[in-house]
Amino acid sequence: DQQVKQNSPSLSVQEGRISILNCDYTNSMFDYFLWYKKYPAEGPTFLISISSIKDKNEDGRFTVFLNKSAKHLSLHIVPSQPGDSAVYFCAAISNAGGTSYGKLTFGQGTILTVHP
Amino acid sequence: ETGVTQTPRHLVMGMTNKKSLKCEQHLGHNAMYWYKQSAKKPLELMFVYSLEERVENNSVPSRFSPECPNSSHLFLHLHTLQPEDSALYLCASSPSTGGARAFFGQGTRLTVV
Repeated sequence: DQQVKQNSPSLSVQEGRISILNCDYTNSMFDYFLWYKKYPAEGPTFLISISSIKDKNEDGRFTVFLNKSAKHLSLHIVPSQPGDSAVYFCAAISNAGGTSYGKLTFGQGTILTVHP
Repeated sequence: ETGVTQTPRHLVMGMTNKKSLKCEQHLGHNAMYWYKQSAKKPLELMFVYSLEERVENNSVPSRFSPECPNSSHLFLHLHTLQPEDSALYLCASSPSTGGARAFFGQGTRLTVV
């Protein structure tokens, strides 16, 4: 059973327009969410995160929105640039376990292509 | 450069071979992880080490054997693998507090022939 889902395998956007990547989760214990970006031949790199006590977090061109009632989060990139072309992974974690480490559950990823 | 280094970057091995993947971090993190990424599937957590002790083993077959000799190094020993084990193997580390973001290495692209 996949607890974090990214239902769009790919997204194509024109340069300068907005990119919206979506992510749904089923585990109500998740209370912290992250987006990672991955270029070919590289490991995932952290992009932005949001705690469940917030519904929005913004960092430059990147904004993450969280709708807890719908168990849905989205990543907005505006304006999109060709260098944003990569695979974007949504990830979630529950801090309720009180463990001393982070155990991330990932979605399948969405391939974003930004055309010049 | 995330501070997490994996070697080798690429590995081709036969089903009867024994090989090891290496991961090194000098970020002062106390937790280290092995993830597997197969084509069109989510990253799957394989093992978690916290303070050099294995704390998670997500039903990984015994042909994968992790080792964490110290807080900076993590190995994944491979033996008698199957072709379906071909995947990208990613190492990550994080601070000891839960919820902190993980830093990933570049991964080892493994092909089992």
